[in-house]
Amino acid sequence: GAGVSQSPSNKVTEKGKDVELRCDPISGHTALYWYRQSLGQGLEFLIYFQGNSAPDKSGLPSDRFSAERTGGSVSTLTIQRTQQEDSAVYLCASSLGGLAKPYEQYFGPGTRLTVT
Amino acid sequence: LAKTTQPISMDSYEGQEVNITCSHNNIATNDYITWYQQFPSQGPRFIIQGYKTKVTNEVASLFIPADRKSSTLSLPRVSLSDTAVYYCLVGASNTGGFKTIFGAGTRLFVKA
Repeated sequence: GAGVSQSPSNKVTEKGKDVELRCDPISGHTALYWYRQSLGQGLEFLIYFQGNSAPDKSGLPSDRFSAERTGGSVSTLTIQRTQQEDSAVYLCASSLGGLAKPYEQYFGPGTRLTVT
Repeated sequence: LAKTTQPISMDSYEGQEVNITCSHNNIATNDYITWYQQFPSQGPRFIIQGYKTKVTNEVASLFIPADRKSSTLSLPRVSLSDTAVYYCLVGASNTGGFKTIFGAGTRLFVKA
């Protein structure tokens, strides 16, 4: 079946512009996660959704970052007034939810964001 | 959230068994232990998950001692394609989603 998809795959933007990144999770997955990974670094947790709600937003780096999820499916991560330090690969993952396998997350290919 | 500690890097040769140990001294009663593998320019891929004792699948085995304060990922007969970063995570959720913290991971380099 279809995996997690993300768009765009690459985004180059000028400093100060807003960007919107999209994630389409695997159908039926109730949990959705956003991470970012800078070159050669580990994954930095940003936010997760259970259904349409985000119980913990403390991972978002600043108030320029926001995320929403609608219909328990598609999610968008918005970065306002982008800065050069926002350059990274933004990864989305989804999981079934429930108690059986809470941590089996399936990752998308990522969006490579470059802020010039 | 339980903090995890892993070796930063490991080297091995093709055909050898590789064991990567993760320490998680503050693991909570309902926490699961999960391992992911990440190749360059790709998102992480789920390898294995366990709660206690031993879990085995077609890719790896996961050994968890009775106190659950550590776990060991065992990769049998590694090949060059097993060169990747391996992450250990611990945590749990009653709703299926939770704040997932990936540590720095262990960079495994398999040599011919």
